[in-house]
Amino acid sequence: NAGVTQTPKFRVLKTGQSMTLLCAQDMNHEYMYWYRQDPGMGLRLIHYSVGEGTTAKGEVPDGYNVSRLKKQNFLLGLESAAPSQTSVYFCASSRGQQETQYFGPGTRLLVL
Amino acid sequence: KQEVTQIPAALSVPEGENLVLNCSFTDSAIYNLQWFRQDPGKGLTSLLLIQSSQREQTSGRLNASLDKSSGRSTLYIAASQPGDSATYLCAVTTDSWGKLQFGAGTQVVVTP
Repeated sequence: NAGVTQTPKFRVLKTGQSMTLLCAQDMNHEYMYWYRQDPGMGLRLIHYSVGEGTTAKGEVPDGYNVSRLKKQNFLLGLESAAPSQTSVYFCASSRGQQETQYFGPGTRLLVL
Repeated sequence: KQEVTQIPAALSVPEGENLVLNCSFTDSAIYNLQWFRQDPGKGLTSLLLIQSSQREQTSGRLNASLDKSSGRSTLYIAASQPGDSATYLCAVTTDSWGKLQFGAGTQVVVTP
């Protein structure tokens, strides 16, 4: 049981480049979330999904897109990376909306 | 808008002393509150989840209390050990979709 995994672990992008972060969970969870963590800002919700084929905006969605084509995967896309998107990105999943969220190890992204 | 505050931002205690970590939130209309631990460069590990109808939760040396009316939660860690050194985050769920609002965390160092 791997829990929540994230790919890649670390990435350097140039401004304007695009990339996709992959989150996978093997716990058959319905709910999945993408957060970013910045010094002094704490964790903030980017997008979330309440089931396969659904997505919704969180607190800081601008500049990001997401897709949940399979229940176990939640993809976060950056179409045109900006230095302000330099951050650590965490994915989380939970069985239900009021249950414990399990976090992945994070993806560290540096945009130059 | 819900705001979650954790004071102090950093704390250092000698081994064996009990740890008391505070979390406050501005809107008492929460569904639940979760405490997480984060080690440097790692993801978040869930420690305790308290539903809004509960007053406390316990797990081993950890005990968390919740006072919704005053907007406060306290995490107690008994007989601290150097392995308890980490950043502790609290987060509240403020809607039915399970979205978490995080505090900035308290960085704890337990000295041998």
